Amino acid sequence: ELKVEQNPLFLSMQEGKNYTIYCNYSTTSDRLYWYRQDPGKSLESLFVLLSNGAVKQEGRLMASLDTKARLSTLHITAAVHDLSATYFCPLMDSNYQLIWGAGTKLIIKP
Amino acid sequence: NAGVTQTPKFQVLKTGQSMTLQCAQDMNHNSMYWYRQDPGMGLRLIYYSASEGTTDKGEVPNGYNVSRLNKREFSLRLESAAPSQTSVYFCASSGKDRVTPHTGELFFGEGSRLTVL
Repeated sequence: ELKVEQNPLFLSMQEGKNYTIYCNYSTTSDRLYWYRQDPGKSLESLFVLLSNGAVKQEGRLMASLDTKARLSTLHITAAVHDLSATYFCPLMDSNYQLIWGAGTKLIIKP
Repeated sequence: NAGVTQTPKFQVLKTGQSMTLQCAQDMNHNSMYWYRQDPGMGLRLIYYSASEGTTDKGEVPNGYNVSRLNKREFSLRLESAAPSQTSVYFCASSGKDRVTPHTGELFFGEGSRLTVL
């Protein structure tokens, strides 16, 4: 059974700091996605990672995928309050469905 | 270009009542999905439709039915609502259009917040 585990599940950090969210999964897949969800809102697509070694960057966020290690990371550089949200890293399974973890709730304090 | 539109946004039901959540997308996507999200959890797939005329069960289909009315619309019906169905429901679509290839990326509606008393 394909499982997605994110850690940490909750992270409180100061503005200006760097941090990394980790996304581990239990079986082979080469398609992973990062989504952001603000409280009470919908989910917004951030990155689509389609192959081993894929790296995508947008502003202060950078996502990478290592399919051999079954690991994706979302790195936050010089965090700002506006990045406070819950982040999800669903993975596509062999039936072309996305498997979701519990998400990482990120709070960035001014 | 509205993307994915869900109605209603909020609904309160009594146990045993029925209702239908409506979803429409204007991105010409083939695939549509219904998810539920409970507090502190990720999304769980209820039903999906890979193309017009087909529907399949997801992880948590019990108590729900769906209809893929046409390529644009995918509705979710609760025949006899139960308190365990209190949740936020998201509709999503995916597919390729003239510009983007089919990456499997999902595009979500705003969500429908359902409370069953």
